[in-house]
This record gives sequence, C-alpha cells and structure tokens, in this order.
Amino acid sequence: ETGVTQSPTHLIKTRGQQVTLRCSSQSGHNTVSWYQQALGQGPQFIFQYYREEENGRGNFPPRFSGLQFPNYSSELNVNALELDDSALYLCASSSGTPYTGELFFGEGSRLTVL
Amino acid sequence: QQQVKQSPQSLIVQKGGISIINCAYENTAFDYFPWYQQFPGKGPALLIAIRPDVSEKKEGRFTISFNKSAKQFSLHIMDSQPGDSATYFCAASPGGSARQLTFGSGTQLTVLP
Repeated sequence: ETGVTQSPTHLIKTRGQQVTLRCSSQSGHNTVSWYQQALGQGPQFIFQYYREEENGRGNFPPRFSGLQFPNYSSELNVNALELDDSALYLCASSSGTPYTGELFFGEGSRLTVL
Repeated sequence: QQQVKQSPQSLIVQKGGISIINCAYENTAFDYFPWYQQFPGKGPALLIAIRPDVSEKKEGRFTISFNKSAKQFSLHIMDSQPGDSATYFCAASPGGSARQLTFGSGTQLTVLP
C-alpha cells in the first residue's frame, strides 16, 4: 500500500508566476485535502475535494484553486504568486466520506517565491 | 473564533520524563481533537485523537486529557524517549472528523538522552 505522494518536492518561482502542485492519494482514499504550512507554523486548511468537487474551503483567496481527478489524485494551482505564498504545501487523503476517516499526509511540496 | 492556541513553543525533557503540551480553543463547534507528530522533512502523522464524549484517551505512552468546560486539551507523553524528539501539533475540527482541521502553532520537543 503506497502512501500519499506529492510532486515536485521542491520548486522555486518568481512573484507573479503560476504553479501547479500534484498529489496522489493513498490507495483506496477518495478524499483529498490541501494545507499550507509556513515555516515554523502549523498547517492551514486550504480546501478539500470529494467526488471531484470542492467540499470546504479555508480562508484563502480565489487564486488558490484545485482539481480532483476520477482516480482521486489532485492538483493545487496558485496564480499570481506572492512572496507570502512561500511555504510547504501538504496534501492529505482519507477514505470514506469527508465526515469520516483519518487524514494521512504526504511529505509536501516546498515552494519558494522570489 | 477559529484559533487553537498551543503551548509551550518548545520543550526540553530528559529521557524517561513526562512531556506535557497544552492547547486551548474557542470555537464550541469543534468536536474532534487530534494530535499530530511531525519530523523534519516529513508530513504530520496522526498520533492520537479524542472526541468530547470522553475526558481521557490513552494509547501506549501517549495520553490526551480533555476538559470540555475549560475548552482545553493536552498531550502527555510518558517515559519520553529521544526518538520522540519532533514537532507536535494539536488540532481541532467540527463535525466529529478531520474534515477541516485548525492547527495550533506547534511545540518542538527535544528529549535528551
């Protein structure tokens, strides 16, 4: 059983650019959540996807968007990058409905915006 | 209303000692309280979780104590080991599940050999 895998592990972008981060959920998991973890802080909820639809969103602007695919993998897209977007982006998957199941986190994609 | 306040920011204990980390919340809709352990370069991993129908939950060396009236919960690590050295996060979520977690700011635990 493979865990949650994320790509790329590290990337550097410049302000104003766009970035796409990818996540493969753990086998059998149908719900994917994304979190942003700034250096030295706890993760912050961005949004959750279930059945290919957004199912809950945290306090993040619309330039943060996502997708979930039929195989339950997911993408996080961030447009018009700002310096404060520099962070570790964590993907987490769970099984069952969004109201059940524990979260299993990947190791994250570390984004640096210059 | 959405904050979870965690203390201390850092903690140093001797091997075999007890590590205690505290969290407080404001949102009364929160009804699921997990603790996560994170090692450098890794994602958070669920350690133990509690729902407010019980005041204490124990799994091995890890115990959560929950005080609903005070809106506080804490993690106790008994017989702390150097391998426990990591960052610990408390979190809270409504709906009785991990659907939308609000995390504390983390406690960096160092267990000295």
